[in-house]
Amino acid sequence: SSELTQDPAVSVALGQTVRITCQGDSLRSYYASWYQQKPGQAPVLVIYGKNNRPSGIPDRFSGSSSGNTASLTITGAQAEDEADYFCCSRDSSGNHYVFGTGTKVTVL
Amino acid sequence: QITLKESGPTLVKPTQTLTLTCTFSGFSLSTSGVGVGWIRQPPGKALEWLAFIYWDDDKRYSPSLKSRLTITKDTSKNQVVLTMTNMDPVDTATYYCARYYYGSGSRRFDFWGQGSLVTVSS
Repeated sequence: SSELTQDPAVSVALGQTVRITCQGDSLRSYYASWYQQKPGQAPVLVIYGKNNRPSGIPDRFSGSSSGNTASLTITGAQAEDEADYFCCSRDSSGNHYVFGTGTKVTVL
Repeated sequence: QITLKESGPTLVKPTQTLTLTCTFSGFSLSTSGVGVGWIRQPPGKALEWLAFIYWDDDKRYSPSLKSRLTITKDTSKNQVVLTMTNMDPVDTATYYCARYYYGSGSRRFDFWGQGSLVTVSS
């Protein structure tokens, strides 16, 4: 399968920890990258590879992977983290890319 | 500073061909490990990868759209062009271009353009 499945929505209390998951067969072979998208804005890369953050991304964002599941964890969620999050990885052939279905994170 | 910007029509008619241009700065598409990709997002929906072109002219297309897509690059102009034929109202979306980078053992779309909304309607 070339699909990446995410929970449609999760909520987290301000300052608490939230984990967003991404499931797909190709994740057994390839790392996911994660993108944050706020309303009306372009996506922003927040995690890539095993657990790498681009310059300027707070260290409360971290990534991990196990089996067919990749995870993005926000430790100490802030109000500005409220956004849609998409995972992305190569498909099982390794020749194409696929994005996840997206997760809307609400910070309460 | 790396920037990308999409340009093209905002409205196309069904069956027409869409041509989008990504003009970028701050990197070269002749550098090993670098590429430019196209991703689209229908209103209120998820991102969908369309295509990318690599520094060595390797081209990859979404299997579901491959017959309709063509991606080319002009390294001297710092531009990448995507054409999509036989446009349909379901192709209405914001189209993004993004830099694709392979380095440190991982691949990612690390810089994105602001996006260009394309509406398909008669």
